[in-house]
Amino acid sequence: GNSVTQMEGPVTLSEEAFLTINCTYTATGYPSLFWYVQYPGEGLQLLLKATKADDKGSNKGFEATYRKETTSFHLEKGSVQVSDSAVYFCALSDRGTSYGKLTFGQGTILTVHP
Amino acid sequence: DAGITQSPRHKVTETGTPVTLRCHQTENHRYMYWYRQDPGHGLRLIHYSYGVKDTDKGEVSDGYSVSRSKTEDFLLTLESATSSQTSVYFCAIGGGLAGQETQYFGPGTRLLVL
Repeated sequence: GNSVTQMEGPVTLSEEAFLTINCTYTATGYPSLFWYVQYPGEGLQLLLKATKADDKGSNKGFEATYRKETTSFHLEKGSVQVSDSAVYFCALSDRGTSYGKLTFGQGTILTVHP
Repeated sequence: DAGITQSPRHKVTETGTPVTLRCHQTENHRYMYWYRQDPGHGLRLIHYSYGVKDTDKGEVSDGYSVSRSKTEDFLLTLESATSSQTSVYFCAIGGGLAGQETQYFGPGTRLLVL
């Protein structure tokens, strides 16, 4: 079956530090990959996505590249801000007749201090 | 923001009672999903719908049923609530058959089963 593994958290950084959150996946087919973010007390919202190998998704200074050879989709940001404090989820959706069902990683809590 | 509302937003109930959660969308989207969020598990799919009266089970469907009698509403019922169903429940729309489309999440319902 499908699975997503994220690096263990929580992650605590100082403002302007470099961020990496690792994500690896196992999929039976050819998945689309997503990063969602959840701010305190809110639902999830899409941060970025990639639908084929070597695609790079980017948004709000965050980037992730779909690496089929290493089955990875690591999230990076060059300089984090306090407002980036949130929970980050890596997810995949398998192709074919998956009806868009998402498989999520366990989430990584990010706290950024001034 | 995608037009998705969930009701109620918070609920406290007792073990053994039935509970129904409602998801309402104004986007006329075909695909709808119910997930639960628990610490250490990320989000897990309970049930999903690919059209009016078309529903199927997800990863953690035991103890839950759903109904979709019209496009805009997707109901999740806990037939006899148990403490293990204490969780935050999220509805989502989007996804699509090939899973490449973004899913948009509602604000969530926090359920406590005593």
